[in-house]
Amino acid sequence: GPKVLQIPSHQIIDMGQMVTLNCDPVSNHLYFYWYKQILGQQMEFLVNFYNGKVMEKSKLFKDQFSVERPDGSYFTLKIQPTALEDSAVYFCASSLHGLGVNYAEQFFGPGTRLTVL
Amino acid sequence: QQQVRQSPQSLTVWEGETAILNCSYEDSTFNYFPWYQQFPGEGPALLISISSVSDKKEDGRFTIFFNKREKKLSLHITDSQPGDSATYFCAARNNAGAKLTFGGGTRLTVRP
Repeated sequence: GPKVLQIPSHQIIDMGQMVTLNCDPVSNHLYFYWYKQILGQQMEFLVNFYNGKVMEKSKLFKDQFSVERPDGSYFTLKIQPTALEDSAVYFCASSLHGLGVNYAEQFFGPGTRLTVL
Repeated sequence: QQQVRQSPQSLTVWEGETAILNCSYEDSTFNYFPWYQQFPGEGPALLISISSVSDKKEDGRFTIFFNKREKKLSLHITDSQPGDSATYFCAARNNAGAKLTFGGGTRLTVRP
């Protein structure tokens, strides 16, 4: 089936540094998402993005977070500066449509494990 | 407050048995419920889904039973196979947006 790729699979950084997580979504998809999963907890929605704009975001999407998809390439999540509580696995997803039952299946990447020391 | 809850957290069945995974939700506006299957090191993959207008959805060995009045649903895996060993997530969405609200997952182990 369609694949979403995420680079890197694991990133370790020091608190206060900037980090960029990269996602290569399914090629014809138009909607993009980030979810966060802290170890042992459920996956939680961060943000979705369409046509160059943030459409929805949760309270977990702090001011230090930003997303973009420059020139239709990688969909990125940038955290600047990072904090200890940002340590988690971040899953990227994409979908062809944003709403509706039949066409909004979200395809997930394998996740990037972020460790903030 | 968790909007989507799953039970049990872990479940072990023998090969050939039926595994039953439970899910409940709080928000009555949720109207679409996908179940995702996740293997270690991989992202969640859509397994089967149901909308709130149906009370049952079947796809091969996988069946969702949905009770709108009680805000409960369950995933039944018949003739369980060792290859079904994975973590299963129940998720929910409404028409207000595209975000999915996930449950905590059930880790299923199928013993040969």
